[in-house]
Amino acid sequence: SQELEQSPQSLIVQEGKNLTINCTSSKTLYGLYWYKQKYGEGLIFLMMLQKGGEEKSHEKITAKLDEKKQQSSLHITASQPSHAGIYLCGAVVMFSGGYNKLIFGAGTRLAVHP
Amino acid sequence: NAGVTQTPKFQVLKTGQSMTLQCAQDMNHEYMSWYRQDPGMGLRLIHYSVGAGITDQGEVPNGYNVSRSTTEDFPLRLLSAAPSQTSVYFCASSPGVRYGYTFGSGTRLTVV
Repeated sequence: SQELEQSPQSLIVQEGKNLTINCTSSKTLYGLYWYKQKYGEGLIFLMMLQKGGEEKSHEKITAKLDEKKQQSSLHITASQPSHAGIYLCGAVVMFSGGYNKLIFGAGTRLAVHP
Repeated sequence: NAGVTQTPKFQVLKTGQSMTLQCAQDMNHEYMSWYRQDPGMGLRLIHYSVGAGITDQGEVPNGYNVSRSTTEDFPLRLLSAAPSQTSVYFCASSPGVRYGYTFGSGTRLTVV
């Protein structure tokens, strides 16, 4: 979606390194989701952020929401080969008609080399 | 619980053919959505529903129809398949937009 910009598009890191993926919305956010997708498989829900300043962690993955900047960052500490895959940010935004919808960014492809 | 079930997993169509992708959930979720995933473009919203009898268009609705006659089922119809509709299709459901969405395992569609 053009409303959600993810960066970088792809990332190659060495095992043990830290990394950050960013997601910026051009629309007001009503919630921000992070999903992981292994190549050729479905999406796995990681976490959801709703309030400005909120920070959540799942194992070695931490996500933060900056509501004012309409941005979220996903940080992986001490990356492992199991972290490899596509990371997708999704945002709940308001569309015409009054319904909130979940849309996604283009994704960040992460490769972790031993 | 089966969660979100999509059928078929794979499908090859000829240009001009029609077909229906099935999506069923057993979690009594009101919200259901269809997305397509193409390389480098993430997931794009095709159609969505906020309850039985209520549907609306997403970002890329052209060439697709939906209906929601029951809470459980949300089929996606391709009226006249085109090669541009070659993609992986995902169905998702949620109890509400402020909750996590559960995704099906996807349908890989090729139109030749």
